[in-house]
Amino acid sequence: GAVVSQHPSRVICKSGTSVKIECRSLDFQATTMFWYRQFPKQSLMLMATSNEGSKATYEQGVEKDKFLINHASLTLSTLTVTSAHPEDSSFYICSASDIGQDNQPQHFGDGTRLSIL
Amino acid sequence: GQNIDQPTEMTATEGAIVQINCTYQTSGFNGLFWYQQHAGEAPTFLSYNVLDGLEEKGRFSSFLSRSKGYSYLLLKELQMKDSASYLCVAMDSNYQLIWGAGTKLIIKP
Repeated sequence: GAVVSQHPSRVICKSGTSVKIECRSLDFQATTMFWYRQFPKQSLMLMATSNEGSKATYEQGVEKDKFLINHASLTLSTLTVTSAHPEDSSFYICSASDIGQDNQPQHFGDGTRLSIL
Repeated sequence: GQNIDQPTEMTATEGAIVQINCTYQTSGFNGLFWYQQHAGEAPTFLSYNVLDGLEEKGRFSSFLSRSKGYSYLLLKELQMKDSASYLCVAMDSNYQLIWGAGTKLIIKP
């Protein structure tokens, strides 16, 4: 079945560091990938929609300069948390669906647990 | 506005049956998904309904009534590993996903 690989699975770093998270679709192409953030015991919160070859669409309240998204190819999107601070500590998850399969289920990466000290 | 409502938490007994309800309000409709999420893990896909009726898949079944804006996930022969959060997700006319807050299901022996 369709697989989405997300890397790294866990990051622990000092405040002020920038962290890049990769999301790859391994056996399908995705023009659109989604980035979510999840706090403990809460549901997924959509941060942004990553569009291949164009700018990402950010949800209200999400700082685009803080969370940089690049979708350079049909199989790779990256989320960079710039100058991370302790309040950015969270579980970040990406998802994608096949091209032209808008009403198909999203395939999720395993998530990245980010801890900022 | 667009909205998903599902219970926050439910408790059931191992071997029993449990039904998790979900009501939704969306701008147009392109289907409803159910996902399972264990603590600290990414969601995994369970089911997709776009037409009215019941879809059965092993121990899990999902039902949809478009006229009522209502869906449920039915879990039979509950196992301890079924303890997880169950997320109801509706897709609107623009193929945008509207996520419910999830129902935490606690299975007791």
